[in-house]
Amino acid sequence: DAGVTQSPTHLIKTRGQQVTLRCSPKSGHDTVSWYQQALGQGPQFIFQYYEEEERQRGNFPDRFSGHQFPNYSSELNVNALLLGDSALYLCATGTGGLGGEKLFFGSGTQLSVL
Amino acid sequence: AQTVTQSQPEMSVQEAETVTLSCTYDTSESDYYLFWYKQPPSRQMILVIRQEAYKQQNATENRFSVNFQKAAKSFSLKISDSQLGDAAMYFCAYRGYGQNFVFGPGTRLSVLP
Repeated sequence: DAGVTQSPTHLIKTRGQQVTLRCSPKSGHDTVSWYQQALGQGPQFIFQYYEEEERQRGNFPDRFSGHQFPNYSSELNVNALLLGDSALYLCATGTGGLGGEKLFFGSGTQLSVL
Repeated sequence: AQTVTQSQPEMSVQEAETVTLSCTYDTSESDYYLFWYKQPPSRQMILVIRQEAYKQQNATENRFSVNFQKAAKSFSLKISDSQLGDAAMYFCAYRGYGQNFVFGPGTRLSVLP
């Protein structure tokens, strides 16, 4: 049983570019949440997708957008990259939309913006 | 908005000894969940233990146990018989029902041989 998988594992971009990160949920999971973890900090909630719709959103600008596909996998897109977007981006999956208790995390994508 | 505080940026413990990591949180809700997650160098967040706020009994998972004080809004993690593999970042997290996780800033635990 595969867990939560994220790709790529590492990524280097320059300011102003756009990036797409991908997440495949754990088998049986239908809800995907994205978190940003800056160096030395705890993860910060970006948004959550359930039934292919964004259900909740944290305090992140519109440059951050996402998508969920019919197979429950998800993408995180960040436009007009800033140096401050450098962070570990974690995908977490669960079941049942907002009611699920537990989250299972992937190993993240380390994004460096130069 | 809910907040989670971990006042110990770093802790160390001797192998086989016991260590307690502190966590406090702020919420006006009565029904919620609390978690401790471990993040080793592999970066993957691993669930250590979970507590439901309506349960008075403290959760335990093998060598890991919590001291949940709801009135004080305190949720500490005790690791008994510490092992080298316990070395990691530990994050305390709060989740209101139907909401997403709020994480604390983390505590880096070192285990000394």
